[in-house]
Amino acid sequence: GQQVMQIPQYQHVQEGEDFTTYCNSSTTLSNIQWYKQRPGGHPVFLIQLVKSGEVKKQKRLTFQFGEAKKNSSLHITATQTTDVGTYFCAGYSGTYKYIFGTGTRLKVLA
Amino acid sequence: KAGVTQTPRYLIKTRGQQVTLSCSPISGHRSVSWYQQTPGQGLQFLFEYFSETQRNKGNFPGRFSGRQFSNSRSEMNVSTLELGDSALYLCASSSLGQEPNNEQFFGPGTRLTVL
Repeated sequence: GQQVMQIPQYQHVQEGEDFTTYCNSSTTLSNIQWYKQRPGGHPVFLIQLVKSGEVKKQKRLTFQFGEAKKNSSLHITATQTTDVGTYFCAGYSGTYKYIFGTGTRLKVLA
Repeated sequence: KAGVTQTPRYLIKTRGQQVTLSCSPISGHRSVSWYQQTPGQGLQFLFEYFSETQRNKGNFPGRFSGRQFSNSRSEMNVSTLELGDSALYLCASSSLGQEPNNEQFFGPGTRLTVL
């Protein structure tokens, strides 16, 4: 079945350093979404990417969708303590079912 | 707009019992998805409902079932509970199938503990 892998599983960074998480799907995706889950909270939608090679920015966050629509990345520039949480990608193949990646837990050391 | 609500927030059951969890989506959303979240397995898709019809189902045993009502509220049921069913159960509402942007809005979840 369809699988979505995400690396790394954990990342500790010093405040001010950059952070990147990568997402790889075993199948071509119609779109991919990214979510952030704070400790003790629920996933919160960040963005959706639809087009091949698409790049979107939200302040310090940059999201990319691969040319083959099978991989994606989230890059955070100059991390802050408010960036702490687990970042998930969720891939959609058009069957009313999102497959979530395993998540990357980010810790930011002040 | 009111957010997604889930009840109850916490539940403790014993093995062999059954449980019903409830989810009220955002007004206007007709798609409701359910996920099981555990530390080891991450977010696993259970099923998705749209206008009272199940459109997809994840790889869970038949003990896990769900339904959706005409007002889009959804329930999921787990029968013959096992210790491994202990998890956070999340419901997400969206306009999937209604609009191109299918942002999922998650509820706070129901924390189920099976003893």
